[in-house]
Parts: sequence; structure tokens; C-alpha cells
Amino acid sequence: AQTVTQSQPEMSVQEAETVTLSCTYDTSESDYYLFWYKQPPSRQMILVIRQEAYKQQNATENRFSVNFQKAAKSFSLKISDSQLGDAAMYFCAYRSVYQGGSEKLVFGKGTKLTVNP
Amino acid sequence: KAGVTQTPRYLIKTRGQQVTLSCSPISGHRSVSWYQQTPGQGLQFLFEYFSETQRNKGNFPGRFSGRQFSNSRSEMNVSTLELGDSALYLCASSSGLAGAKGTGELFFGEGSRLTVL
Repeated sequence: AQTVTQSQPEMSVQEAETVTLSCTYDTSESDYYLFWYKQPPSRQMILVIRQEAYKQQNATENRFSVNFQKAAKSFSLKISDSQLGDAAMYFCAYRSVYQGGSEKLVFGKGTKLTVNP
Repeated sequence: KAGVTQTPRYLIKTRGQQVTLSCSPISGHRSVSWYQQTPGQGLQFLFEYFSETQRNKGNFPGRFSGRQFSNSRSEMNVSTLELGDSALYLCASSSGLAGAKGTGELFFGEGSRLTVL
């Protein structure tokens, strides 16, 4: 079974600065998807960024980018120019492509990000 | 486009009772997944339905069950409630076609907060 580990329960960053959230995963599969989801205090989770394992290029979405190291099974999220609205729980998630079309996600325990003004 | 709607948002039950939670997915989405979120265990997958069929199931006891209707709305039921069932129950919808035409993104509702006394 796949596992996802987020080793930083809490992180803080100053507004306008850059922060990196860590995520490692364990799998024996060669093809899969990785996601970062954000859960603000209102609790509705939203997708931040998505990475297909077969793509070597790191995904980017505006101020959000990932450092995907497949051999190391590492998938970190970098937030540049941090804004107050980035404060939230961030979850790293794994999805296998070998589960009959199922979109089941395996989540890490999350990292609580605080943005200081 | 309306988002994922979960009802009720908050509920309090006592041990031994049963509860039914409802989820209305985004219009056009055929897949609904359920997750349990607790501080200790994080986000854990309960089950996934696609076109009224259970496509995947997590490691939860038989007290947890679900179903999906022809309009893609889904319900989950927990019978004989235990204190440990207190959690935020999140529903997520998607096109259900991640392996074909979908992006694999899950769209989450705000959750149903269940407290068992």
C-alpha cells in the first residue's frame, strides 16, 4: 500500500517570502499522480497543483511550483511571494493509476502553514 | 456552477444511534468519494461511487455504508455510532473519467461535522 508522509506539521512564513513544504511517498508503482491540496479554515479543500509521474518537468501554477524527484520519491511544494490568503492546511496526496479507474487519494497528515504579516 | 453540497453541516448524535449524510456533486459529475478527517488519523478514504456502483472501498467496518443514486447524489450511513466516529466527513466529486478525459481533480464539499456523545 502506498503511504504519504509530510514531516512538517507546522510551518510559518513572512508575507512576500518563499516557503517550501515537504512531502515524501512510498510506492512500488512506476506511474501515478501527485497532488497538493489546500484546506483553508473554512474547510473546503481545493487543488493547488498536480503532477503526473511520467512527466519530468515540474508543474507550476502561478506562485506555486513543485520539485518532483521521482527517484527520491519526493514531492515538495514551493510557494513564492506568500500572501495572507495562503494560510491553510496543505495536504500532499497520491493517486495510483492501477486501481481500475478509481480516483482514490492517499493523503499525508498535512502541514499547517501560517503567514505572518 | 454550483459546488459540492453536503448536508447537514453539523450534527450531534449519541452512541448507538445511526446517521445519514448527504452529498450532491457538481452537475455533470458522475463520481462521488467520501473521506473521514480526524486530527489523529488525518484524511482516510471511505468509499467511491461511479454511476451508482461502488468502485472502491477503504478499510472501514461494515457499519459504514454508502450508495449513489441515478442523479449522482450520494449518501453515506454510519450505524451504531461510536465515540471514535466523531469526525469531519468530506465528500468529493469528479467527472470519474480520470483515466480518459478527466483531469483527476477532486472537488470537495465543506464537510459534515459529526459529533458523537
